[in-house]
Amino acid sequence: NAGVTQTPKFQVLKTGQSMTLQCAQDMNHNSMYWYRQDPGMGLRLIYYSASEGTTDKGEVPNGYNVSRLNKREFSLRLESAAPSQTSVYFCASSALAGYTGELFFGEGSRLTVL
Amino acid sequence: DQQVKQNSPSLSVQEGRISILNCDYTNSMFDYFLWYKKYPAEGPTFLISISSIKDKNEDGRFTVFLNKSAKHLSLHIVPSQPGDSAVYFCAASLSGSARQLTFGSGTQLTVLP
Repeated sequence: NAGVTQTPKFQVLKTGQSMTLQCAQDMNHNSMYWYRQDPGMGLRLIYYSASEGTTDKGEVPNGYNVSRLNKREFSLRLESAAPSQTSVYFCASSALAGYTGELFFGEGSRLTVL
Repeated sequence: DQQVKQNSPSLSVQEGRISILNCDYTNSMFDYFLWYKKYPAEGPTFLISISSIKDKNEDGRFTVFLNKSAKHLSLHIVPSQPGDSAVYFCAASLSGSARQLTFGSGTQLTVLP
């Protein structure tokens, strides 16, 4: 009954370091998403993948890259971390991109960039 | 400019009373609205939704009301329970597309025993 699993849950980086956030879902969903949550800002879409083999930019893609490794896994990479990327990151999935908008979220990954 | 706004960052309500959480939006093209609930250290979970062709949707203690002319929706929780204490996000989408989902900034609801 795992749903959406994200790793790591916590990470501290220095400016300029790189890292990858991993996400996997076991619900056989076609679409996957990466959001970031900042105080007073709600959740903002970074990148999404409507289906295996496709990825598209969301509202705030700068400084990030993604890989849809297979149907289950969708990773988010920060090539050169900046303090502005300090945030809580959520991976989510949905059955279809054109679905009712109901997303299933992971528990989040708290990233601090010093 | 935020297209979905939750102007109350926090709300405290006595157990057993009604909780009313409000959300305003600016884009008249939004046609599907959702509420998500988030506990600390957990991801948001879907709570209830409403299509723009309706003005009310109920699910147990939770009711969402949509006023399209005012571009306003609200979530009513009756009766409120301590376990309802969480952050509530409203979200709006275009043509039922998850990739077009726009979230509000959230309201922290505290239900006092």
